[in-house]
Amino acid sequence: IAGITQAPTSQILAAGRRMTLRCTQDMRHNAMYWYRQDLGLGLRLIHYSNTAGTTGKGEVPDGYSVSRANTDDFPLTLASAVPSQTSVYFCASSSTGSTEAFFGQGTRLTVV
Amino acid sequence: GENVGLHLPTLSVQEGDNSIINCAYSNSASDYFIWYKQESGKGPQFIIDIRSNMDKRQGQRVTVLLNKTVKHLSLQIAATQPGDSAVYFCAVYSGGGADGLTFGKGTHLIIQP
Repeated sequence: IAGITQAPTSQILAAGRRMTLRCTQDMRHNAMYWYRQDLGLGLRLIHYSNTAGTTGKGEVPDGYSVSRANTDDFPLTLASAVPSQTSVYFCASSSTGSTEAFFGQGTRLTVV
Repeated sequence: GENVGLHLPTLSVQEGDNSIINCAYSNSASDYFIWYKQESGKGPQFIIDIRSNMDKRQGQRVTVLLNKTVKHLSLQIAATQPGDSAVYFCAVYSGGGADGLTFGKGTHLIIQP
């Protein structure tokens, strides 16, 4: 089934630990995005990639890093997790120049 | 960056009635204005978009209106059904990259039987 897949679905993480959230799409979309969703704050862009090999910072990039080694995968890494990074994380992809982004089912991360 | 906001955090409507969800934006240079729907436990899903040079666009049971004079966007849902219960986000698109897709905070649409 074509789409975008995130893993894990949920995770409880001790503060200070390193964590990588995985995201894979099979639609051959050039653009990929990571958002975090917090109650009352909507969706905020963390990092984005317009094409394989390039990445850029969004609205709230601090504490996060990404890589885009190929078209399909766009992992998000928390180098040293802090409680303020407790959130629901969504990965999305879209064709270049398209307003229609396809979202994964989300990863619920709790940092304790 | 773009400032995208909604007028109400929660909207309650009777099943069968029409729903109107509103949104205000700040950047007049945005190319497209978009509505997304997010059902509980799922990621947002694209509903409809409207180009900045248009005033109205219709889809299946949905209509989006754009008033550039007052920087206002609305989503109208005809004959609201239980399956329409969700959080609705307006978003603006100004090209790729960091300004590509900026979301508002969302309105929770509640359908009453």
